Amino acid sequence: GAVVSQHPSWVICKSGTSVKIECRSLDFQATTMFWYRQFPKQSLMLMATSNEGSKATYEQGVEKDKFLINHASLTLSTLTVTSAHPEDSSFYICSAIERTSGNYFQETQYFGPGTRLLVL
Amino acid sequence: GEDVEQSLFLSVREGDSSVINCTYTDSSSTYLYWYKQEPGAGLQLLTYIFSNMDMKQDQRLTVLLNKKDKHLSLRIADTQTGDSAIYFCAEWISGTYKYIFGTGTRLKVLA
Repeated sequence: GAVVSQHPSWVICKSGTSVKIECRSLDFQATTMFWYRQFPKQSLMLMATSNEGSKATYEQGVEKDKFLINHASLTLSTLTVTSAHPEDSSFYICSAIERTSGNYFQETQYFGPGTRLLVL
Repeated sequence: GEDVEQSLFLSVREGDSSVINCTYTDSSSTYLYWYKQEPGAGLQLLTYIFSNMDMKQDQRLTVLLNKKDKHLSLRIADTQTGDSAIYFCAEWISGTYKYIFGTGTRLKVLA
C-alpha cells in the first residue's frame, strides 16, 4: 500500500520553542492531508484538514495560530507547534488521502507513523 | 451528530476468533474502515468496506456491515499474540472529506 512518512519520530523541546513536524506521501500525490492528535489511551482527535495550495481548515477548539499548517506541495504538509508548552505534549499523527479511480471513485487514507512530542 | 462507538477492551485466547464491534450514527458514510495501532506506532489500515456491501473477507479478517442497524464488526480468525493492539473503526462521511474515528478497542491475546 501507499506509504506516508513523518519526521521527526521523536522530539523533546523546551517550553516556549517551536517545533515543526513534516508529513510526506512517498509514492502518491495527496491534495488532502489530515493532522490528528492522540492522547495516551485515547482515540484520535482531528485537528485540521490540510489542502494543497490553500489554507488549512481547523476543527473547533484548535488554535490555528498555535498549530500552523502548511501544505506547500502535493507530497508535503507541515505542522508547526508554536511556543510549545507542556500541555502540547502528545502523539501527533498525519494522514494523506490517495484518490484512485477505477470502477468507482475511491479515497483511501494512509497514516504516518506518528511523532511523539515532549515539551519540558 | 456524528458518533462512532466501540467497546474498550477485548481479551481472547490464542487460536480463538476475535470479534470487535463498532456502531456509528451517520447513515451517509460511504466507506467504513478498520485500523490497527500497535503501542507507540501510527495507524495501519487493515481493511475497509464500501457501504453498499454486507461482507468482505481478506485472509483472516472478515468485515460484516449491517447498514440498517449501523453496526460494523471485524472478525479475526485464529487470533495470534501479534494481533494484540488497539483497533479503530472509522467512517468516511461522503462529501465532507472527514473521517470519524471510534474510541478504539484494545485487544489482548492470551497465550
